[in-house]
Amino acid sequence: AQKVTQAQTEISVVEKEDVTLDCVYETRDTTYYLFWYKQPPSGELVFLIRRNSFDEQNEISGRYSWNFQKSTSSFNFTITASQVVDSAVYFCALTLGDDKIIFGKGTRLHILP
Amino acid sequence: DAGVIQSPRHEVTEMGQEVTLRCKPISGHNSLFWYRQTMMRGLELLIYFNNNVPIDDSGMPEDRFSAKMPNASFSTLKIQPSEPRDSAVYFCASSLARLIPSEQYFGPGTRLTVT
Repeated sequence: AQKVTQAQTEISVVEKEDVTLDCVYETRDTTYYLFWYKQPPSGELVFLIRRNSFDEQNEISGRYSWNFQKSTSSFNFTITASQVVDSAVYFCALTLGDDKIIFGKGTRLHILP
Repeated sequence: DAGVIQSPRHEVTEMGQEVTLRCKPISGHNSLFWYRQTMMRGLELLIYFNNNVPIDDSGMPEDRFSAKMPNASFSTLKIQPSEPRDSAVYFCASSLARLIPSEQYFGPGTRLTVT
């Protein structure tokens, strides 16, 4: 079965701390894509990153970084030096084939000033 | 460029009434998705279209739900008759479908409350 698990329902950290959001997936496909989306308090989901199953290089974009490990079926997301504006719900997602994607339940991140 | 536009942003209706949610995808995008978000079930894909044709409606809860895409720039999701358990935030998203799965761009959502 295709599945995305975000075991951390809610995380609170103090501003400037680093925080890692976990994502574990299950798929029977050999080629697949993983995504991260951010849903700030305003409600709209914002695309952050897409990664294909053949590219295990870590990706860094400013304070954001992603660690993809096929061996453990994980695609974790780290925010370095967190800021209050990072407070949001973060979703990990996996392709189901065609253009369909399945979302995890999300991790609600609170950055405390 | 304008993003995905949804209307209305909020809808409060009484049980049994018909509800129509509207979506305008990003110009040039050829895939459109309708999602429902609730605390209990998270984000669920209801239906998606490619080039205005429904491709997969397996997520549509029951016959009370229907969706149309009469042209590339407009789609509707209709619930008739509505029930309190339909209360949720409904998102529309669009993408440019290519050989590889594309990122989806989401609208602001419609918060539906059925009393």
